[in-house]
Amino acid sequence: DTAVSQTPKYLVTQMGNDKSIKCEQNLGHDTMYWYKQDSKKFLKIMFSYNNKELIINETVPNRFSPKSPDKAHLNLHINSLELGDSAVYFCASSHRDDGSGNTIYFGEGSWLTVV
Amino acid sequence: DAKTTQPPSMDCAEGRAANLPCNHSTISGNEYVYWYRQIHSQGPQYIIHGLKNNETNEMASLIITEDRKSSTLILPHATLRDTAVYYCIVSPHNAGNMLTFGGGTRLMVKP
Repeated sequence: DTAVSQTPKYLVTQMGNDKSIKCEQNLGHDTMYWYKQDSKKFLKIMFSYNNKELIINETVPNRFSPKSPDKAHLNLHINSLELGDSAVYFCASSHRDDGSGNTIYFGEGSWLTVV
Repeated sequence: DAKTTQPPSMDCAEGRAANLPCNHSTISGNEYVYWYRQIHSQGPQYIIHGLKNNETNEMASLIITEDRKSSTLILPHATLRDTAVYYCIVSPHNAGNMLTFGGGTRLMVKP
Protein backbone atom coordinates (compact mmCIF):
# COMPACT_ATOMS: atom_id res chain seq x y z
CA ASP A 1 0.00 0.00 0.00
CA THR A 2 1.37 3.35 -1.06
CA ALA A 3 1.61 5.71 1.92
CA VAL A 4 1.36 8.97 -0.06
CA SER A 5 -0.18 8.64 -3.48
CA GLN A 6 -0.72 11.32 -6.06
CA THR A 7 -2.44 11.37 -9.43
CA PRO A 8 -1.86 11.83 -12.23
CA LYS A 9 1.78 10.83 -12.45
CA TYR A 10 2.15 12.56 -15.81
CA LEU A 11 0.16 15.50 -17.12
CA VAL A 12 0.66 17.41 -20.36
CA THR A 13 -1.57 20.42 -20.87
CA GLN A 14 -1.78 23.69 -22.76
CA MET A 15 -1.07 27.14 -21.45
CA GLY A 16 -4.07 28.85 -19.95
CA ASN A 17 -5.75 25.64 -18.82
CA ASP A 18 -6.80 24.88 -15.27
CA LYS A 19 -5.66 21.57 -13.80
CA SER A 20 -5.63 19.67 -10.53
CA ILE A 21 -3.31 17.14 -8.97
CA LYS A 22 -4.76 14.90 -6.31
CA CYS A 23 -2.98 13.61 -3.23
CA GLU A 24 -4.00 11.10 -0.60
CA GLN A 25 -2.14 9.76 2.42
CA ASN A 26 -3.10 6.69 4.44
CA LEU A 27 -0.65 7.29 7.29
CA GLY A 28 -3.08 9.08 9.58
CA HIS A 29 -0.93 12.22 9.45
CA ASP A 30 -2.37 15.60 10.33
CA THR A 31 -0.22 17.76 8.07
CA MET A 32 0.21 17.69 4.31
CA TYR A 33 2.41 19.62 1.90
CA TRP A 34 3.06 20.41 -1.68
CA TYR A 35 6.60 20.82 -3.00
CA LYS A 36 7.74 21.87 -6.46
CA GLN A 37 10.93 20.61 -8.11
CA ASP A 38 11.94 22.59 -11.14
CA SER A 39 14.27 21.73 -14.00
CA LYS A 40 17.29 22.68 -11.88
CA LYS A 41 16.19 20.05 -9.37
CA PHE A 42 15.68 22.43 -6.47
CA LEU A 43 12.86 21.33 -4.15
CA LYS A 44 10.77 24.24 -2.91
CA ILE A 45 7.99 24.13 -0.35
CA MET A 46 4.74 25.55 -1.66
CA PHE A 47 2.22 24.89 1.08
CA SER A 48 1.96 23.37 4.51
CA TYR A 49 -1.56 22.53 5.65
CA ASN A 50 -3.36 20.87 8.50
CA ASN A 51 -6.95 21.18 9.57
CA LYS A 52 -6.20 24.31 11.49
CA GLU A 53 -3.70 26.25 9.49
CA LEU A 54 -2.56 26.89 5.95
CA ILE A 55 0.97 28.17 5.55
CA ILE A 56 1.77 29.52 2.13
CA ASN A 57 5.22 30.13 0.76
CA GLU A 58 4.99 33.78 -0.19
CA THR A 59 6.70 33.16 -3.50
CA VAL A 60 3.88 30.93 -4.75
CA PRO A 61 1.55 32.68 -7.24
CA ASN A 62 -2.09 32.84 -6.22
CA ARG A 63 -2.93 30.78 -9.29
CA PHE A 64 -1.94 27.85 -7.09
CA SER A 65 -4.36 26.81 -4.38
CA PRO A 66 -4.53 23.78 -2.09
CA LYS A 67 -7.91 22.20 -1.36
CA SER A 68 -8.37 19.74 1.45
CA PRO A 69 -11.69 17.86 1.53
CA ASP A 70 -10.52 15.93 4.59
CA LYS A 71 -7.39 15.18 6.61
CA ALA A 72 -6.24 12.46 4.25
CA HIS A 73 -6.38 14.55 1.08
CA LEU A 74 -4.71 17.70 -0.17
CA ASN A 75 -5.31 18.51 -3.81
CA LEU A 76 -3.41 21.14 -5.76
CA HIS A 77 -5.37 23.36 -8.13
CA ILE A 78 -3.56 25.43 -10.70
CA ASN A 79 -5.34 28.09 -12.73
CA SER A 80 -4.22 29.70 -15.97
CA LEU A 81 -1.22 27.44 -16.40
CA GLU A 82 2.00 29.00 -17.66
CA LEU A 83 5.06 27.48 -19.29
CA GLY A 84 7.06 28.13 -16.12
CA ASP A 85 4.73 25.89 -14.14
CA SER A 86 6.28 22.87 -15.82
CA ALA A 87 7.89 20.92 -13.01
CA VAL A 88 7.55 17.87 -10.80
CA TYR A 89 5.11 18.40 -7.95
CA PHE A 90 5.49 16.32 -4.81
CA CYS A 91 2.85 15.81 -2.20
CA ALA A 92 3.99 14.91 1.31
CA SER A 93 2.67 14.37 4.81
CA SER A 94 3.80 14.20 8.43
CA HIS A 95 2.61 14.56 11.99
CA ARG A 96 2.88 18.17 13.08
CA ASP A 97 4.19 17.30 16.49
CA ASP A 98 4.54 13.68 17.46
CA GLY A 99 8.06 13.83 18.80
CA SER A 100 9.49 12.29 15.66
CA GLY A 101 10.79 15.52 14.30
CA ASN A 102 10.34 16.52 10.71
CA THR A 103 9.89 13.04 9.30
CA ILE A 104 8.10 13.79 6.09
CA TYR A 105 6.83 11.12 3.73
CA PHE A 106 6.75 12.06 0.07
CA GLY A 107 4.71 10.81 -2.83
CA GLU A 108 6.27 9.71 -6.09
CA GLY A 109 5.69 13.01 -7.85
CA SER A 110 3.49 14.34 -10.63
CA TRP A 111 5.29 15.43 -13.79
CA LEU A 112 3.50 18.49 -15.20
CA THR A 113 4.40 19.75 -18.66
CA VAL A 114 2.79 22.91 -19.97
CA VAL A 115 2.99 23.39 -23.73
CA ASP B 1 19.59 31.73 2.27
CA ALA B 2 21.48 28.46 2.32
CA LYS B 3 21.70 27.22 5.88
CA THR B 4 23.75 24.19 4.93
CA THR B 5 26.71 23.61 2.64
CA GLN B 6 27.33 20.29 0.94
CA PRO B 7 29.74 19.18 -1.79
CA PRO B 8 27.83 18.96 -5.07
CA SER B 9 28.99 15.44 -5.85
CA MET B 10 30.88 12.45 -4.45
CA ASP B 11 31.83 9.00 -5.63
CA CYS B 12 32.00 5.86 -3.52
CA ALA B 13 33.00 2.30 -4.30
CA GLU B 14 30.34 -0.33 -3.81
CA GLY B 15 30.67 -2.04 -0.43
CA ARG B 16 32.70 0.78 1.07
CA ALA B 17 31.47 3.36 3.55
CA ALA B 18 30.11 6.58 2.10
CA ASN B 19 30.77 9.62 4.27
CA LEU B 20 28.75 12.65 3.27
CA PRO B 21 29.71 15.93 4.97
CA CYS B 22 27.51 18.90 5.74
CA ASN B 23 28.41 22.29 7.16
CA HIS B 24 25.79 24.18 9.14
CA SER B 25 27.85 26.78 10.99
CA THR B 26 24.86 29.06 11.73
CA ILE B 27 22.70 26.34 13.25
CA SER B 28 20.57 27.50 16.17
CA GLY B 29 20.16 25.71 19.45
CA ASN B 30 16.65 24.48 18.66
CA GLU B 31 17.43 23.27 15.15
CA TYR B 32 17.76 19.62 14.27
CA VAL B 33 19.90 18.19 11.49
CA TYR B 34 17.89 16.10 9.01
CA TRP B 35 19.04 13.97 6.11
CA TYR B 36 16.87 12.99 3.18
CA ARG B 37 17.77 11.43 -0.12
CA GLN B 38 16.18 11.41 -3.55
CA ILE B 39 16.76 8.53 -5.89
CA HIS B 40 16.32 9.39 -9.54
CA SER B 41 12.67 9.93 -10.53
CA GLN B 42 11.41 9.21 -7.03
CA GLY B 43 10.18 11.32 -4.14
CA PRO B 44 12.58 12.28 -1.35
CA GLN B 45 13.05 9.70 1.39
CA TYR B 46 13.75 10.39 5.06
CA ILE B 47 17.01 8.88 6.32
CA ILE B 48 17.82 10.12 9.81
CA HIS B 49 17.85 13.16 12.06
CA GLY B 50 19.56 14.33 15.25
CA LEU B 51 19.97 17.27 17.59
CA LYS B 52 23.39 16.89 19.18
CA ASN B 53 23.97 13.22 19.88
CA ASN B 54 25.13 10.79 17.25
CA GLU B 55 22.31 8.70 15.84
CA THR B 56 22.11 5.35 14.08
CA ASN B 57 19.28 3.51 12.40
CA GLU B 58 18.94 0.73 9.87
CA MET B 59 19.82 3.02 7.00
CA ALA B 60 22.69 5.16 8.23
CA SER B 61 24.61 6.83 11.04
CA LEU B 62 24.69 10.54 11.75
CA ILE B 63 27.73 12.06 13.41
CA ILE B 64 27.29 15.62 14.70
CA THR B 65 30.33 17.57 15.89
CA GLU B 66 30.35 18.80 19.45
CA ASP B 67 29.92 22.43 18.38
CA ARG B 68 27.09 21.28 16.04
CA LYS B 69 28.52 23.28 13.17
CA SER B 70 28.93 20.27 10.94
CA SER B 71 27.77 16.70 10.55
CA THR B 72 28.51 13.58 8.54
CA LEU B 73 26.06 11.04 7.20
CA ILE B 74 27.60 7.58 6.99
CA LEU B 75 26.27 4.80 4.81
CA PRO B 76 28.33 1.91 6.18
CA HIS B 77 28.26 -0.39 3.16
CA ALA B 78 27.15 1.54 0.11
CA THR B 79 25.30 -0.31 -2.62
CA LEU B 80 24.45 0.72 -6.16
CA ARG B 81 20.93 1.45 -4.98
CA ASP B 82 22.30 4.14 -2.68
CA THR B 83 23.12 6.29 -5.72
CA ALA B 84 21.02 9.39 -5.11
CA VAL B 85 21.06 13.06 -4.15
CA TYR B 86 21.49 13.45 -0.40
CA TYR B 87 20.09 16.52 1.31
CA CYS B 88 21.24 17.89 4.65
CA ILE B 89 18.65 20.20 6.23
CA VAL B 90 18.55 22.12 9.48
CA SER B 91 15.17 22.99 10.89
CA PRO B 92 13.49 23.65 14.20
CA HIS B 93 11.45 20.76 15.52
CA ASN B 94 8.20 22.66 15.28
CA ALA B 95 8.61 24.83 12.22
CA GLY B 96 5.43 23.61 10.59
CA ASN B 97 7.72 21.07 9.05
CA MET B 98 8.42 23.46 6.17
CA LEU B 99 11.73 21.90 5.28
CA THR B 100 13.92 23.87 2.90
CA PHE B 101 16.00 21.70 0.58
CA GLY B 102 19.30 22.94 -0.80
CA GLY B 103 21.30 21.55 -3.69
CA GLY B 104 22.38 18.39 -1.90
CA THR B 105 25.22 16.00 -2.72
CA ARG B 106 24.92 13.71 -5.69
CA LEU B 107 26.41 10.41 -4.52
CA MET B 108 27.45 8.00 -7.21
CA VAL B 109 28.15 4.47 -5.99
CA LYS B 110 30.34 2.66 -8.48
CA PRO B 111 30.92 -1.08 -8.88
